[in-house]
Amino acid sequence: NAGVTQTPKFRILKIGQSMTLQCTQDMNHNYMYWYRQDPGMGLKLIYYSVGAGITDKGEVPNGYNVSRSTTEDFPLRLELAAPSQTSVYFCASRLDSPLHFGNGTRLTVT
Amino acid sequence: DAKTTQPPSMDCAEGRAANLPCNHSTISGNEYVYWYRQIHSQGPQYIIHGLKNNETNEMASLIITEDRKSSTLILPHATLRDTAVYYCIVRVYGGGRRALTFGSGTRLQVQP
Repeated sequence: NAGVTQTPKFRILKIGQSMTLQCTQDMNHNYMYWYRQDPGMGLKLIYYSVGAGITDKGEVPNGYNVSRSTTEDFPLRLELAAPSQTSVYFCASRLDSPLHFGNGTRLTVT
Repeated sequence: DAKTTQPPSMDCAEGRAANLPCNHSTISGNEYVYWYRQIHSQGPQYIIHGLKNNETNEMASLIITEDRKSSTLILPHATLRDTAVYYCIVRVYGGGRRALTFGSGTRLQVQP
């Protein structure tokens, strides 16, 4: 199993640009999550999904959108990038326990 | 999920055991203790979890006190690669649809 795969690893965006952070898992996990981690800080939940077709907001959803059309994929969309969205983004998945994380996407918005 | 308290930082000499404490005095009877760690710039990594019995796997041991109000994660022979932030989390197994909440954790620095 590849586990949780995130692409791209790094990205620089200009203010106002849009992009999609990709996340895919090959473990047939129902639950998937997007977290962001600002420098020196803890992880904050952006969105999560309990299965295909079902998504819900987390702690910091503003400026982001998600979709879950398949069990495997959970992309995170940034529509109008802002400097406050500069962060490292982690995708995670689980069946019951524990949580499996990807290696993150480091995003800089300038 | 029950609240946990961890020291903000600890040092350990390479080759020695690293003992990371966690207090969770409000833990409920059906809540497990989970440990994760985050090595610099990487995604958090699951280490171990337990309910009330001590647990051991290839990475670490978890010692839970009899009253379950505190626990200790033991890395028996710490290496430089164990330098990371360690998170103690208490929650019901699986936890339903809710996501894990990561606190500040303990920053373990393994010294050569």
